[in-house]
Amino acid sequence: EPEVTQTPSHQVTQMGQEVILRCVPISNHLYFYWYRQILGQKVEFLVSFYNNEISEKSEIFDDQFSVERPDGSNFTLKIRSTKLEDSAMYFCASSPGTGGDQPQHFGDGTRLSIL
Amino acid sequence: GENVGLHLPTLSVQEGDNSIINCAYSNSASDYFIWYKQESGKGPQFIIDIRSNMDKRQGQRVTVLLNKTVKHLSLQIAATQPGDSAVYFCAEIAYYNTDKLIFGTGTRLQVFP
Repeated sequence: EPEVTQTPSHQVTQMGQEVILRCVPISNHLYFYWYRQILGQKVEFLVSFYNNEISEKSEIFDDQFSVERPDGSNFTLKIRSTKLEDSAMYFCASSPGTGGDQPQHFGDGTRLSIL
Repeated sequence: GENVGLHLPTLSVQEGDNSIINCAYSNSASDYFIWYKQESGKGPQFIIDIRSNMDKRQGQRVTVLLNKTVKHLSLQIAATQPGDSAVYFCAEIAYYNTDKLIFGTGTRLQVFP
C-alpha cells in the first residue's frame, strides 16, 4: 500500500538554526499538510498546500515557517530560526482531494529536538 | 512515544472482547469524521471515516457510529486483538470552509491476552 514517507526520523538542532523536514507524499495525491504534536499534547494543524500554494495555515505557522514543493515528489517544511518550543513530532499528510471519502494519510513523523 | 505524558483515558479489554471507544466533538458544523490509530513511534493511521449524512459505517472488524444530536462519535472494534493496542484519535473537519483536521485528545486501548 502506498505511504507517506518522512525524513529524517529524528533531527537534533541548535536553537536559532534553520531546519528542513522532508516528506514524500503519496504519488497521486494533490493536497499536502503538515501537523505537529508537542509531547503530551494533541496533534495540531500547521498548514495545507494545494496547487503550489498555501491554502490554509494556523496561527502557529508564523513567518519562521515555510513550505515548498521543490519538485514533483517532495514536500518540505522549513523553520528558519528554531526555538526551544519548536521541539515536537512533525507529521506530513496527503490526500487525493478534499471532501468526504478523501482521508488524509500520515507519515510516521520527524521528531525535532531543539537544544 | 509522543503520547507519553498525555493524560489519556485508557480502555483495557481482554483479547477477543469487543471494544468501544468514544469521542465528543465540539463543532456542530463538522461534516466529516475520521478515526485514526497511532502506535508507538508511528504516525496516525487511517481506520475508518464517516460523513455527517450517515449515522453508521462498517469496515473490517470496525464500526463507527455518529450521533449528531449530542455530537458524539464512537468506534467499535469487534474481537479485539493484541495488535489493536494503540492510541485512537477521532478527528473532525468542516469541509465547507476548511480542510484542516481537528484532533481529539485520544484514548489508549490496552488489550490483555
